[in-house]
Amino acid sequence: AQKITQTQPGMFVQEKEAVTLDCTYDTSDQSYGLFWYKQPSSGEMIFLIYQGSYDEQNATEGRYSLNFQKARKSANLVISASQLGDSAMYFCAMREGPVSVTGNQFYFGTGTSLTVIP
Amino acid sequence: GAVVSQHPSRVICKSGTSVKIECRSLDFQATTMFWYRQFPKQSLMLMATSNEGSKATYEQGVEKDKFLINHASLTLSTLTVTSAHPEDSSFYICSARGFTPYGYTFGSGTRLTVV
Repeated sequence: AQKITQTQPGMFVQEKEAVTLDCTYDTSDQSYGLFWYKQPSSGEMIFLIYQGSYDEQNATEGRYSLNFQKARKSANLVISASQLGDSAMYFCAMREGPVSVTGNQFYFGTGTSLTVIP
Repeated sequence: GAVVSQHPSRVICKSGTSVKIECRSLDFQATTMFWYRQFPKQSLMLMATSNEGSKATYEQGVEKDKFLINHASLTLSTLTVTSAHPEDSSFYICSARGFTPYGYTFGSGTRLTVV
């Protein structure tokens, strides 16, 4: 089974509007972390936001917020007030196990290509 | 802080030659480095996990004799693509645990083209 599923290969959003990028995950671990990364055409992976499995509040970082629904195993990224510079690939990722364990790998979704329309 | 410098960013090589990609942690010690490969419009696929001072652990289907990983120090890990072929053309990116409590820092990636 896929550890991370992103069902939207491509999304369009009008500038200044909000957009939600979907992500569901699969794990039997109690301790895990969920991440969102932005990858512009240049290729680098830019960390956006993190949600720990024990965090009760949804994570927020500026215009990014993570809608964490643990029972549904979903971790959707919400981008508010979209900007043209937000056009990029967005990857949801999960790392299983406690944060203190350094060797655990990331599992990435297939990504969502977001295009912001002027 | 927590910067991973990856070089080269772009390389074109002839078929049959070898290419070395370096990932260096600039302001922290990376005991573990992950190497990923990404084909166009696809996700990152983990190739191997390198631990300082020990042999790398390769994912299933990754040829360890073709993709040589060396993690000789706490700040440097290298991936060497030996006897490269056009099908090895891809985007390679490394990642290491940084100082942030949960953050894994990625290098900027290397776009390899084998002609």
